Amino acid sequence: DGGITQSPKYLFRKEGQNVTLSCEQNLNHDAMYWYRQDPGQGLRLIYYSQIVNDFQKGDIAEGYSVSREKKESFPLTVTSAQKNPTAFYLCATHRTSLGYTFGSGTRLTVV
Amino acid sequence: SQKIEQNSEALNIQEGKTATLTCNYTNYSPAYLQWYRQDPGRGPVFLLLIRENEKEKRKERLKVTFDTTLKQSLFHITASQPADSATYLCALPDRGSTLGRLYFGRGTQLTVWP
Repeated sequence: DGGITQSPKYLFRKEGQNVTLSCEQNLNHDAMYWYRQDPGQGLRLIYYSQIVNDFQKGDIAEGYSVSREKKESFPLTVTSAQKNPTAFYLCATHRTSLGYTFGSGTRLTVV
Repeated sequence: SQKIEQNSEALNIQEGKTATLTCNYTNYSPAYLQWYRQDPGRGPVFLLLIRENEKEKRKERLKVTFDTTLKQSLFHITASQPADSATYLCALPDRGSTLGRLYFGRGTQLTVWP
């Protein structure tokens, strides 16, 4: 089945540590997105990419970084500069005229 | 950007009744609007897309309307079932965006009790 795989499902980060969340898709979609979801809030866009080797900042990019070296992969790094990283992170792909396809998410907790 | 309001953080209805969820936006009128379902701890799942020139769209027990004059979309679930219990999200695209980025509302948590 085609879809999006996010890993790990749960991730714990120590203060001052960088962590990387994985997002892989086999849908052959060009556009990929990273959203953050906090309780009681809507999804907020962190970064997005339309093609390989190109990506743009979303509304809350500070403290995050991404890469798009392959069409299938769009990893997100949460750096130590992100002071409040505890949240549910969602990766999505999109094809024109259709809705987003989301992964199952990664729940990141600072310990 | 776009401001989206989904009325009622929570909606509780009895099985068999029709659930009606509201999505209001305040800025530009989007070319289309989408609805998603999200279960706890899971990613949202795309349900329906309605375009600005479509007044109504149906899919099985789901019906969506889009009123660009009122800047509002209504999402209906007829003959609701406990399995319909979830959070429903409204989403709109960025104005003139060719990249497909969406703005999401906070969602309405629907509970259908037997």
